[in-house]
Amino acid sequence: DSGVTQTPKHLITATGQRVTLRCSPRSGDLSVYWYQQSLDQGLQFLIQYYNGEERAKGNILERFSAQQFPDLHSELNLSSLELGDSALYFCASSVGRTGGGETQYFGPGTRLLVL
Amino acid sequence: QKEVEQDPGPLSVPEGAIVSLNCTYSNSAFQYFMWYRQYSRKGPELLMYTYSSGNKEDGRFTAQVDKSSKYISLFIRDSQPSDSATYLCAMIPQGGSEKLVFGKGTKLTVNP
Repeated sequence: DSGVTQTPKHLITATGQRVTLRCSPRSGDLSVYWYQQSLDQGLQFLIQYYNGEERAKGNILERFSAQQFPDLHSELNLSSLELGDSALYFCASSVGRTGGGETQYFGPGTRLLVL
Repeated sequence: QKEVEQDPGPLSVPEGAIVSLNCTYSNSAFQYFMWYRQYSRKGPELLMYTYSSGNKEDGRFTAQVDKSSKYISLFIRDSQPSDSATYLCAMIPQGGSEKLVFGKGTKLTVNP
């Protein structure tokens, strides 16, 4: 158990809908990362938050957004869903204080299926 | 060319075999190298972490980094059925970005 929690575990929805994925980092970790894992692309970095502020952006679509709250939990919002958004979405966390190369601990993931 | 290339396998070996998993990369700025293990329907878990070049050993696992060749390896000795999983290499460049850049993963099956 990494200490990172994600809810829900599974999500089935329809095209055009909006969903929210939730992540709670390990106790004491300030950085939260979101990754998308699909069969064809593998694990891809989406976005990073550090202590409530956006720190880095990867290949995140404009239809996707995220935020980190004062209690450090994070939410990833996916809107106008398309079939191709079906994937595993992982949250990871790290201490966030050492400025690079930190170990990232992954949650169990949310499996999203868009029908 | 992708930043990190990893043979997806699948790789099937008998129990007790030595397994060699490899990744190549193109970005010379990568300085932190990791191997994650991912069981089916689970999140990746960190297996090995190496900074810059060299070897690191932890039990049956050895990680090697050759920066001159832009090549990293993970060796598993005396492989066990419980080692059956997908192994992902991951890297972070020096300075600035903290995002992990992953290979696509190699699926390993160890047969009893």
